[in-house]
Amino acid sequence: EVQLVQSGAEVKKPGESLRISCKGSGYSFSSFWISWVRQKPGKGLEWMGRIEPSASQTTYSPSFQGHVSISVDKSTSTAYLQWSSLNAADTAIYYCTKHLYAFDVWGRGTMVTVSS
Amino acid sequence: DIQMTQSPSSLSASIGHRVTITCQASQDISNYLNWYQQKPGKAPNLLIYDASNLATGVPLRFSGGGSGTYFTLTINNLQPEDIAVYYCQQYNNLASYTFGQGTKLEI
Repeated sequence: EVQLVQSGAEVKKPGESLRISCKGSGYSFSSFWISWVRQKPGKGLEWMGRIEPSASQTTYSPSFQGHVSISVDKSTSTAYLQWSSLNAADTAIYYCTKHLYAFDVWGRGTMVTVSS
Repeated sequence: DIQMTQSPSSLSASIGHRVTITCQASQDISNYLNWYQQKPGKAPNLLIYDASNLATGVPLRFSGGGSGTYFTLTINNLQPEDIAVYYCQQYNNLASYTFGQGTKLEI
């Protein structure tokens, strides 16, 4: 079974750093892109950026460029989404999804809460 | 950037009826359009890819159409389990995967 298993919920303070993960299984991890999608409470879906695992090549939405970093560890089939300094506006559910063109498999999401 | 506009933002329909959701792109995206269903508290799920192709396991009462800038998602014989928010998404520009704002379907 093709799966993306995401790390658990996080509660952080403004200014703190964070890395969340997304582990793929059941498919050739390096053959498909991984994207991250943000969903703020009660709001719609926002594409943040993607990584091509075979080359670790990243593409970011202009809305998120410079604020987050996407990386991958091919040896463990795991993708990461990282912040160096969180703020309250980062409170959201973050989904990873596997794709070439259509986002065909999704993780269950990681809830990130940023509050002082 | 390509903008995606869905209509309506919300709708209410009865069991057994047909509903149609539209999605308009700000420029020609050929058939590079996907539809997703998100049920409450769940991750999104791919319904339709390349504008009109049903994803694996999706009931035949769902169908997609359109090309260029205008697209539709139709649900025939509406069922209670179809309560969800539906999103269109373009991938014409592979450096950006824009979603529509979503359509909330209530029964």
